[in-house]
Amino acid sequence: LAKTTQPISMDSYEGQEVNITCSHNNIATNDYITWYQQFPSQGPRFIIQGYKTKVTNEVASLFIPADRKSSTLSLPRVSLSDTAVYYCLVGDKNAGNMLTFGGGTRLMVKP
Amino acid sequence: GAGVSQSPSNKVTEKGKDVELRCDPISGHTALYWYRQRLGQGLEFLIYFQGNSAPDKSGLPSDRFSAERTGESVSTLTIQRTQQEDSAVYLCASSFLAGGDIQYFGAGTRLSVL
Repeated sequence: LAKTTQPISMDSYEGQEVNITCSHNNIATNDYITWYQQFPSQGPRFIIQGYKTKVTNEVASLFIPADRKSSTLSLPRVSLSDTAVYYCLVGDKNAGNMLTFGGGTRLMVKP
Repeated sequence: GAGVSQSPSNKVTEKGKDVELRCDPISGHTALYWYRQRLGQGLEFLIYFQGNSAPDKSGLPSDRFSAERTGESVSTLTIQRTQQEDSAVYLCASSFLAGGDIQYFGAGTRLSVL
């Protein structure tokens, strides 16, 4: 079971790039890395998923080093609406097992 | 298309009563998760269903909690003899493959035990 460690909170300002790093030292060969965003009073929603190197979509980028023991979610030019909790999750797409979300990173974007 | 649907959205009950929470996953999704989220806290895994396999119940906090799933469709989470510490938001998620696949969450059921 891959455990993840993230900073509890981060502050940023509008227009800045935000990087949130997640440590997952015991990631398994078949595990994927997935990031979720949660606003108050809502369920988490998918942001981005990757296995290695770099993945980019219209919302964010995900950087994964060669050893895969960590990953960094990059949010370009954040706005106030990006204030949320961000969760990193590591797991095998094809194996049935429990996954642990952890406490997430609370991002506060200030004007 | 339709997302994950949970009902009721809010439930207020008295201590000692039983409650039943419902989750309708996305059609075709084989995996279904239940989580609990207390105010200001992260997601706490409760139970996991994967296809026709026996569910992973390792996260259920006590024998007052149980869950069922009919095939690969609707799931119900039942809490018997509710306690005040059961007050939380209960979230359901489904995914096409196993848990490491992208999970799609419902809006949750906010349970308040008086």
